[in-house]
Amino acid sequence: SEELTQPPSVSVSPGQTARITCSGDALPKQYASWYQQKPGQAPVLVIYKDTERPSTIPERFSGSSSGTIITLTISGVQAEDEADYYCQSADSSGSYQNILFGGGTKLTVL
Amino acid sequence: EVQLVESGGGLVQPGGSLRLSCVASGFTFNNYWMSWVRQAPGKGLEWVANIKKDGSEKSYVDSVKGRFTISRDNAKNSLYLQMNSLRGEDTAVYYCAALAAITDSDYWGQGTLVTVSS
Repeated sequence: SEELTQPPSVSVSPGQTARITCSGDALPKQYASWYQQKPGQAPVLVIYKDTERPSTIPERFSGSSSGTIITLTISGVQAEDEADYYCQSADSSGSYQNILFGGGTKLTVL
Repeated sequence: EVQLVESGGGLVQPGGSLRLSCVASGFTFNNYWMSWVRQAPGKGLEWVANIKKDGSEKSYVDSVKGRFTISRDNAKNSLYLQMNSLRGEDTAVYYCAALAAITDSDYWGQGTLVTVSS
């Protein structure tokens, strides 16, 4: 079955740039989203359609896509950005019906 | 204000059944595919099932096929998950969600905890 693969952890100092990758064979064919989840809370959408940012999300969050890899970039990381981040897409069957989540990346702000 | 409120979680023995419910408000429920997503303690998000706007199409993750059934009642703005033959590995917080796909209309409930244990 298809998978989305993320690094388990990323660490950065405040003010630096964090990059979290997600790889999967379906990604050239399907749009992807990124979610932020803090302990005890439901996930929050930070990027959709590979690169689009909801109006409520700070501009320091951005998304990019290249082939089988998508990347969430957080510029000027702040302490409040410490959270788990998940990529999400669908399998390559053609419809957006069979949903995939990456395993999640824990972002630590040093 | 958009709200998704799940209910029906609890403690159940292995082999038992539970029915989760989710009531939606603040958005046009019958315009959205709806999903159940779960998260085992200390683990990542796992999509469980989804259902088309009119209920005509359903999909499931392999691990729950034949045991779980997703359904909806658009007249009641409600989503359901019937869970049978429950196993320990089904222990998780279950979220009701309208996933974004290609728009920023992305809504999640606060989740309901299902614990499968003897």
